[in-house]
Amino acid sequence: QQQVKQSPQSLIVQKGGISIINCAYENTAFDYFPWYQQFPGKGPALLIAIRPDVSEKKEGRFTISFNKSAKQFSLHIMDSQPGDSATYFCAVHKVYNQGGKLIFGQGTELSVKP
Amino acid sequence: EADIYQTPRYLVIGTGKKITLECSQTMGHDKMYWYQQDPGMELHLIHYSYGVNSTEKGDLSSESTVSRIRTEHFPLTLESARPSHTSQYLCASRPGTGAVTEAFFGQGTRLTVV
Repeated sequence: QQQVKQSPQSLIVQKGGISIINCAYENTAFDYFPWYQQFPGKGPALLIAIRPDVSEKKEGRFTISFNKSAKQFSLHIMDSQPGDSATYFCAVHKVYNQGGKLIFGQGTELSVKP
Repeated sequence: EADIYQTPRYLVIGTGKKITLECSQTMGHDKMYWYQQDPGMELHLIHYSYGVNSTEKGDLSSESTVSRIRTEHFPLTLESARPSHTSQYLCASRPGTGAVTEAFFGQGTRLTVV
């Protein structure tokens, strides 16, 4: 079953605009919520992450907003730039046996138009 | 830049052939993962390992097998490739101790079975 649902599937934003990508999860046994960025031909790379004891984390133009009661978290990209055009994945970390594993959302293809 | 390497980057192979996708990391990470990324972008966990001689199947059933004889090496093998195995395969690693940490991804192997 899908434990993480990401939306929208694709997003087009004008340069300078705000990009917003949302994720909803179904289980409360997650302890870490990262966002990964993937450029064509590359593997995903960590962009920003949050733990469930805070409601917001900001790093430069990127902000995660986390709503624990609603089981939702979102990525906001302020002043979006063409160089931000990539695929973005939310993920949740599930504690499991000797360690844990990351479960990814379906991905959002962001295109920032100049 | 993450020190995790996948070879080959691209592979076109005939049905029925045996193939091994290589993944190596020089960071000394205990935890390693294989994800299958379909054309719709979504990442599915197919195998993971928490250390030498430890391997587990992931959330998505896969006909592939893995081994972990050395910390730095986590190869994936398909005994008899089929067109349904055509996909991108991503390897990742994380440190094994302490709080949840960033996962580092390789650049992926794009496999086409004809």
